[in-house]
Amino acid sequence: SAVISQKPSRDICQRGTSLTIQCQVDSQVTMMFWYRQQPGQSLTLIATANQGSEATYESGFVIDKFPISRPNLTFSTLTVSNMSPEDSSIYLCSYRTVSSYEQYFGPGTRLTVT
Amino acid sequence: AQTVTQSQPEMSVQEAETVTLSCTYDTSESDYYLFWYKQPPSRQMILVIRQEAYKQQNATENRFSVNFQKAAKSFSLKISDSQLGDAAMYFCAFLPGGSNYKLTFGKGTLLTVNP
Repeated sequence: SAVISQKPSRDICQRGTSLTIQCQVDSQVTMMFWYRQQPGQSLTLIATANQGSEATYESGFVIDKFPISRPNLTFSTLTVSNMSPEDSSIYLCSYRTVSSYEQYFGPGTRLTVT
Repeated sequence: AQTVTQSQPEMSVQEAETVTLSCTYDTSESDYYLFWYKQPPSRQMILVIRQEAYKQQNATENRFSVNFQKAAKSFSLKISDSQLGDAAMYFCAFLPGGSNYKLTFGKGTLLTVNP
């Protein structure tokens, strides 16, 4: 499987500010995803990051709050905008292989909003 | 819509013993994939094992094996010879076949391994 990395690994942010999380895969992948994992919970899909077009957002998530970029087949960013303490979560980047349907995850970004 | 149910919020096992984690799912799809992921305290989600619905043979990866009962929509994970490093949250996940479908996760089972 390709190596997937995220930056930053953790951050503490002030209410009202924004944070951009970067996700890098060491080979080209077709499908990339962003997930949120609130404390003690399972994973919730935020959006599918589409290369060269707008991301596809899940119910309850909007582009103004979680803008996503996917400039090429190896890189994506997720921005958490106008943060509130409710945004404190782990954010995970993921990709899926087309051939085997296996999905792999980055190490996650632990965000704390104060 | 698909649902994935993990009925055991927490499980514990003695080191070197065997433990089975339960997972059931509900779907009307005929083509799908099932997965078990492990998330240790480091929070990295690690793919443990995969099962294709069209395969009758249960998947095995070293000490990890599954019991896939398609008619019962059951997909349990057996960990043999448990090790301290197996302690983690385990998530069962379902993926319909086709490139545009989404992975659905269960709520997870927290496994503790006692020395």
